Amino acid sequence: QVQLQESGPGLVKPSGTLSLICAVSGGSMDSNNWWIWVRQPPGKGLEWIGEISHSGITNYNPSLESRVTMSVDVSKNQFSLKVTSVTTADTAVYYCASSYCTTTSCFVRYFDPWGQGTLVTVST
Amino acid sequence: ETVLTQSPATLSLSPGERVTLSCRASQSIGNFLAWYQQKPGQAPRLLIFDASNRATGIPARFSGSGSGTDFTLTINSLEPEDFAMYYCQQRRDWPPGFGPGTKVDIK
Repeated sequence: QVQLQESGPGLVKPSGTLSLICAVSGGSMDSNNWWIWVRQPPGKGLEWIGEISHSGITNYNPSLESRVTMSVDVSKNQFSLKVTSVTTADTAVYYCASSYCTTTSCFVRYFDPWGQGTLVTVST
Repeated sequence: ETVLTQSPATLSLSPGERVTLSCRASQSIGNFLAWYQQKPGQAPRLLIFDASNRATGIPARFSGSGSGTDFTLTINSLEPEDFAMYYCQQRRDWPPGFGPGTKVDIK
């Protein structure tokens, strides 16, 4: 069973860069999975940020595309997220997740499992 | 971009009751819809994918139906652990997106 764990600074200054890593355990990243970032502002709903394949192909939410970069390091079993020029609107719990796979198929853009999430606050 | 609308925003129910949650898409998304459950302080959990298929390990009291623009999640006989937020999510259109959620709380 794949498990995911986010890590990174919990506080970022306005105009700075948010950087997070998601560590993947219990399974190989070298598969048909896609690796996803989703965020949730405090008390609000879920926003899909983007996805990356094990080979490094990326797709981003158009609303964030100009500020987001994702990368993957299969040898370290981890993938990462960078968001530049952050504002207070980027304050959120950031989740990493993988595409949902059964024993026979993987379903791109359905998400499970998820990491526990990490709160990133943008503030001076 | 497809907009998902969920209703009602909040439901107050008692354990043992049957609940039906609604998700409506602004355009047809076929059956490319999922439902997630999120409890306070926890990550979401996939319940239903492709509108009507239960994810691995999800109890049979959870069922999904619908296609096109109108979808429902039904929970037969609410258990205490079912009181949570429920989100729908579509993957047919770009970008994939979530509905605003329905909160199911204890009456």
